[in-house]
Amino acid sequence: DSGVTQTPKHLITATGQRVTLRCSPRSGDLSVYWYQQSLDQGLQFLIQYYNGEERAKGNILERFSAQQFPDLHSELNLSSLELGDSALYFCASSPPGGHYEQYFGPGTRLTVT
Amino acid sequence: KNQVEQSPQSLIILEGKNCTLQCNYTVSPFSNLRWYKQDTGRGPVSLTIMTFSENTKSNGRYTATLDADTKQSSLHITASQLSDSASYICVVKEAAGNKLTFGGGTRVLVKP
Repeated sequence: DSGVTQTPKHLITATGQRVTLRCSPRSGDLSVYWYQQSLDQGLQFLIQYYNGEERAKGNILERFSAQQFPDLHSELNLSSLELGDSALYFCASSPPGGHYEQYFGPGTRLTVT
Repeated sequence: KNQVEQSPQSLIILEGKNCTLQCNYTVSPFSNLRWYKQDTGRGPVSLTIMTFSENTKSNGRYTATLDADTKQSSLHITASQLSDSASYICVVKEAAGNKLTFGGGTRVLVKP
């Protein structure tokens, strides 16, 4: 158990809908990262937040957005969902300083039908 | 463009045997290189992190090497166990900023 929690574990929704994925980082970690992993594909970095501020952006679609709240939990919002958005979405957190070791959550499996 | 290439894509080995996975990268400037183990459907778990000055780092039966001059790393698994069946991902962090570049992973299957 990495200490990072993600909810929900599974999500099934229809095309065109909007969903919100939630992540709670490890206690003391200020950074939160979001990743997408499609079936049999590698991890794709989406976005990073540090202490509430956006720090780095990867291959995140305009239909997707994220935020980190004052209590440091983060939400990833996916809208106008398409079949191709079906994937595992992982959140990771890392402590301040050091080598930026990342601790991954168990993921949310999103299925768009 | 910064890239991380892993080989082989997949590997089947018999329980008890050793194997070595390769990672070549073009990321520059380099900060550190990590190896993660990812069980199917689970989040990746860190095995090792190495900086520029480190050549070898071990974590139990896993030993990673780094040659920063040739920009190559390897992960050696000794006396493989069935539980080693997983994807192994090489990740390189740039020195400037927080960007991580992920390799495509090597899928290892250990058979009894």
